[in-house]
Amino acid sequence: QKEVEQNSGPLSVPEGAIASLNCTYSDRVSQSFFWYRQYSGKSPELIMSIYSNGDKEDGRFTAQLNKASQYVSLLIRDSQPSDSATYLCALVGNTGFQKLVFGTGTRLLVSP
Amino acid sequence: EAQVTQNPRYLITVTGKKLTVTCSQNMNHEYMSWYRQDPGLGLRQIYYSMNVEVTDKGDVPEGYKVSRKEKRNFPLILESPSPNQTSLYFCASTIRSGINEQFFGPGTRLTVL
Repeated sequence: QKEVEQNSGPLSVPEGAIASLNCTYSDRVSQSFFWYRQYSGKSPELIMSIYSNGDKEDGRFTAQLNKASQYVSLLIRDSQPSDSATYLCALVGNTGFQKLVFGTGTRLLVSP
Repeated sequence: EAQVTQNPRYLITVTGKKLTVTCSQNMNHEYMSWYRQDPGLGLRQIYYSMNVEVTDKGDVPEGYKVSRKEKRNFPLILESPSPNQTSLYFCASTIRSGINEQFFGPGTRLTVL
């Protein structure tokens, strides 16, 4: 089982809709979780971090963490075509030196 | 401007010809890391460095070398490149390991023929 699993997509949503991106992980000890956005051919950029159970909101983005069920999600409200990108879930693993482990990403397509 | 720079951005080379991809950051970050990104496999860590003269292997270190003689620089060396090292490479840095934001360089697209 991969440490971090994401559906590769693409997830297609119309403009203005809510996009829901999900990620599950296998290491119960993981404490720090991140969502990165990566446009095609570009480098990943951090958009959200979450450390405790519950929701964390930042503008149109909401990250949700459920450690008991070992999943983390990202909601994008009022999706825009400019949100079309690949979203990478990442966590700090428990390997002794806190390595960042990435999922393979979910491709989001927002149609006008 | 705070940034991570990589050079070259694009490189086509042949099997066995040694090459170096440079990485430099101007944020005085302690932790630097190299990743490769391949379709379906995501970002995988090659090597990382906790500080000057402290480096260690990541998940896929075979065929690569690194050095950290200065805090700002973390070059990736391919002594004898092979076609399976054709990939998109990213350098990243952060204040220290596990802390919020990893700043990624713009990437180096390497093709080994």
